[in-house]
Amino acid sequence: EIVLTQSPATLSLSPGERATLSCRASQSVSNSLAWYQQKPGQAPRLLIYDASNRATGIPARFSGSGSGTDFTLTISSLEPEDFAVYYCQQRSNWLFGQGTQLEIK
Amino acid sequence: EVHLVESGGALVQPGGCLRLSCAASGFTFSVYTMSWVRRAPGKGLEWVSYIGSASGDIKYADSVKGRFTISRDNAKNTLYLQMNSLRDEDTAIYYCARERGGYYFDGWGQGTLVTVSS
Repeated sequence: EIVLTQSPATLSLSPGERATLSCRASQSVSNSLAWYQQKPGQAPRLLIYDASNRATGIPARFSGSGSGTDFTLTISSLEPEDFAVYYCQQRSNWLFGQGTQLEIK
Repeated sequence: EVHLVESGGALVQPGGCLRLSCAASGFTFSVYTMSWVRRAPGKGLEWVSYIGSASGDIKYADSVKGRFTISRDNAKNTLYLQMNSLRDEDTAIYYCARERGGYYFDGWGQGTLVTVSS
């Protein structure tokens, strides 16, 4: 089973700063990796699919990169509404990473 | 616009059963594969079950295999999850989700809470 490991578990930043979230797969997933954002009391929202494609309506400050085993979600300049939990997810058994909590510093 | 509305969540005793429903609108439900995903308190997202567009392909997470049954009624635009032999660890918010690209979920319902407790 392919395992996804996200780092860091918690990231503390201020609005306007750049956020870099990592997702590492235990074996290659090619580019079949998605990123989601989930805020308290809300459903998850698709941000990125196929490693680097922004989903419909997602602001340009969100970008994804990587292939094989190492992936990155970058938020270029944090807005107050970006503080949330972020998950990566891959194709095999629809497995999710454990999440990164992005919190306000 | 994808619109998914789950229902059926409740407080149930261990060993009990429950059926969740997910009403879909805003898209052609019958051509899309669908899944159930859950989030337990204090934990991350966990995929639970998948069903193909014509119900011919069905998969389950090991944690629910043999206890949960996914189904769909394309005439009613509705997805179901029959949950039997419920355990404490099944306590979670259950989301239905529309699948694209063979793995990612581009539409989610608001979720329905299942609490398993005596």
